[in-house]
Amino acid sequence: DARVTQTPRHKVTEMGQEVTMRCQPILGHNTVFWYRQTMMQGLELLAYFRNRAPLDDSGMPKDRFSAEMPDATLATLKIQPSEPRDSAVYFCASGLGLSQSNQPQHFGDGTRLSIL
Amino acid sequence: AQTVTQSQPEMSVQEAETVTLSCTYDTSENNYYLFWYKQPPSRQMILVIRQEAYKQQNATENRFSVNFQKAAKSFSLKISDSQLGDTAMYFCALMWKPLQGAQKLVFGQGTRLTINP
Repeated sequence: DARVTQTPRHKVTEMGQEVTMRCQPILGHNTVFWYRQTMMQGLELLAYFRNRAPLDDSGMPKDRFSAEMPDATLATLKIQPSEPRDSAVYFCASGLGLSQSNQPQHFGDGTRLSIL
Repeated sequence: AQTVTQSQPEMSVQEAETVTLSCTYDTSENNYYLFWYKQPPSRQMILVIRQEAYKQQNATENRFSVNFQKAAKSFSLKISDSQLGDTAMYFCALMWKPLQGAQKLVFGQGTRLTINP
């Protein structure tokens, strides 16, 4: 089965360091989503792309977070500088947008990020 | 704004029993879709079942079925003959397409389900 691949699976780093999380969407999917999961807030949408163009990043703290999609096979989420409150599980999901509006999003296994 | 509410933070049943997880939602959209996702301890988000809002018939996938009450904005998940492998967090989710952009998904807070042997 095709899967969304996220790396790394786990990341522990010190406050102030740059963190880069990567996502390989399912081949042929044209929408990519980044979510953050915490105990307090649950699953929150941070940003999403369609055909590599950012459509909505209103859920993302702009001062330290950035999301890009340099090509159709790679999406990245960066945090610089990282803070302890950024500790969470970050999920990437991909799907077929617009015309395939009933298609669910397929999730990766997430990156568990711990900022010390 | 679209919201999803799961009022049961935790549930626990014996193996082979039937369990129902509750979900209510609020939306002003006419076209939307509802999903149940399962997140086991491995952390994967696994799609369990989906329902198109325009369909009156309740969706069924093997031991999983939903009770979709559109007027009441309720979307409960029933698990029949529960198995140990059903132990997981279950998230109810609402998907719709804004005027601009791709489909958006909003999740409930989740229900932690434990199946006891």
